[in-house]
Amino acid sequence: EAGVTQSPTHLIKTRGQQATLRCSPISGHTSVYWYQQALGLGLQFLLWYDEGEERNRGNFPPRFSGRQFPNYSSELNVNALELEDSALYLCASSSTGRRVNTEAFFGQGTRLTVV
Amino acid sequence: AQSVTQLGSHVSVSEGALVLLRCNYSSSVPPYLFWYVQYPNQGLQLLLKYTTGATLVKGINGFEAEFKKSETSFHLTKPSAHMSDAAEYFCAVSARASYGKLTFGQGTILTVHP
Repeated sequence: EAGVTQSPTHLIKTRGQQATLRCSPISGHTSVYWYQQALGLGLQFLLWYDEGEERNRGNFPPRFSGRQFPNYSSELNVNALELEDSALYLCASSSTGRRVNTEAFFGQGTRLTVV
Repeated sequence: AQSVTQLGSHVSVSEGALVLLRCNYSSSVPPYLFWYVQYPNQGLQLLLKYTTGATLVKGINGFEAEFKKSETSFHLTKPSAHMSDAAEYFCAVSARASYGKLTFGQGTILTVHP
């Protein structure tokens, strides 16, 4: 069974551009979570989507947005890129987000570099 | 609000020695606690989790952790380190009221010497 897949693996963008990151959850999982792992800042929760709706949001500016499609895959969009947006972006999925003790499986991440 | 503190950003042990990675949490509600491992250039893998019930939790690869409410701790241990255990370890907390939101500690890099 395929795990959580993220694309692209690496992404290089110029400051001010937009970046789109994609995540496909494990088959049967309906919840998708996005996390940012920036150097020196650790792992920070970004967004949670469940059944196509945004359920929870971390302390990030509105230029970080996303959506979940009917097939439960998800996109993370980062507008007006800043140098400090350079980080590893991790996606995770779980079978249901309404039970917090459901294990979240993580993908390999997308390494975003802003130059 | 919740927070996690991992004591020691780097821990070094010899192969065969005890591994002890420390984690303290703060939570205004009963917490759910997790330990994840991250190998270089990879995502996170769940080692073990505590939700309810038995406070001593056994995970994969010989790791275990004990939830101590009085000490607000969830330390990770392994009796005998292997070279393959070298990685970064993250303690995380969540609460039923914060569905899907994991708060992570800063991570501890474990180095295992021959």
